[in-house]
Amino acid sequence: GENVGLHLPTLSVQEGDNSIINCAYSNSASDYFIWYKQESGKGPQFIIDIRSNMDKRQGQRVTVLLNKTVKHLSLQIAATQPGDSAVYFCAENLRGAGSYQLTFGKGTKLSVIP
Amino acid sequence: EAGVVQSPRYKIIEKKQPVAFWCNPISGHNTLYWYRQNLGQGPELLIRYENEEAVDDSQLPKDRFSAERLKGVDSTLKIQPAELGDSAVYLCASTPRTSGANVLTFGAGSRLTVL
Repeated sequence: GENVGLHLPTLSVQEGDNSIINCAYSNSASDYFIWYKQESGKGPQFIIDIRSNMDKRQGQRVTVLLNKTVKHLSLQIAATQPGDSAVYFCAENLRGAGSYQLTFGKGTKLSVIP
Repeated sequence: EAGVVQSPRYKIIEKKQPVAFWCNPISGHNTLYWYRQNLGQGPELLIRYENEEAVDDSQLPKDRFSAERLKGVDSTLKIQPAELGDSAVYLCASTPRTSGANVLTFGAGSRLTVL
């Protein structure tokens, strides 16, 4: 079946630098995407979302970019802080038959070096 | 707001024993989900409820897993008997609407270790 996947399983960045986490998806019917952050021992926490009719959305220190041509999603974190250390998951929403399914990728671990 | 509450946080059992997990969703959220998260993996949907009705249980291993949400609020997920491969974190999530693309709010999860 079609899955959401990630290019990099781990990412280490220096505190204060920008981070970019990438995600590839293969289902062209997906119409909504979400980035979640999961800290150790906690459940996934919503960061930012984007609909398929957009190519960019900005939040506080985070930006999500969507490239539907190559089915690629990225999360940019500006001025990365130690508190950003976590596993980041992208998830895609596939609408069908009046309901939807949220499918998660495998995750990228972000480590921030103080 | 308390968020999605799950218990127990941790459970260690021997294989073939039963186990149950409990979830209290955010007040007013009528859609409830159970996900399983294996180590190093993303969450995978087990079952989705709209109020008390299980509308998507296609990924629930029905030979040993069962779930209920009798009054459309709290939910329990049961495994009987547990197998070694059931070791994982069981996450509960809820959303306020049943249609469209909604942001799921997750609980902290119940970590199961089967020995």
